[in-house]
Amino acid sequence: ILNVEQSPQSLHVQEGDSTNFTCSFPSSNFYALHWYRWETAKSPEALFVMTLNGDEKKKGRISATLNTKEGYSYLYIKGSQPEDSATYLCAFLINYGQNFVFGPGTRLSVLP
Amino acid sequence: EAQVTQNPRYLITVTGKKLTVTCSQNMNHEYMSWYRQDPGLGLRQIYYSMNVEVTDKGDVPEGYKVSRKEKRNFPLILESPSPNQTSLYFCASSWRQGSYEQYFGPGTRLTVT
Repeated sequence: ILNVEQSPQSLHVQEGDSTNFTCSFPSSNFYALHWYRWETAKSPEALFVMTLNGDEKKKGRISATLNTKEGYSYLYIKGSQPEDSATYLCAFLINYGQNFVFGPGTRLSVLP
Repeated sequence: EAQVTQNPRYLITVTGKKLTVTCSQNMNHEYMSWYRQDPGLGLRQIYYSMNVEVTDKGDVPEGYKVSRKEKRNFPLILESPSPNQTSLYFCASSWRQGSYEQYFGPGTRLTVT
């Protein structure tokens, strides 16, 4: 079974801190990697879809990078705010279709 | 409003009683998927569909059936539910194949006693 890992499992930061987390995936046969933000009692919402080695994407204070050769993606949050508190999921596409394997998530808590 | 809807949102049922969870999207998306979320295990894909009448198994298809007779609808059928299917279920859709972001429904919390 294909393994997608995320670290750390959980993270507590102070408001204003910058933080980052990692998604690790198999480095062979890469198709796409998705990042989702999942707030408690809501549905996951897409942040980024990354398809090319070296991709860097940015949305406001959140950015992501991709290294397909070594099998990892980083998600960065600059100047964390309490509203950034959520679980951040990565999802690895394992074929040229719609078959995804999700990582277990990183739970971020931003303390005011 | 562009959205993915699921019904019911909450369901408590008994072992063996067939049930269907409906999923509908109004964005004309080709791709749809079903996931289950269990504590400590993350989201796991049950089935996905790449178009009408085209479905395929995800990682955990046992005990589930799906159909895609219309583009907008992708129901999840549990023919004989068991307690190990107690979970939070999400339906998702996307415009095309996996390079496009998925839009998730609100979730259905199912309890099988």
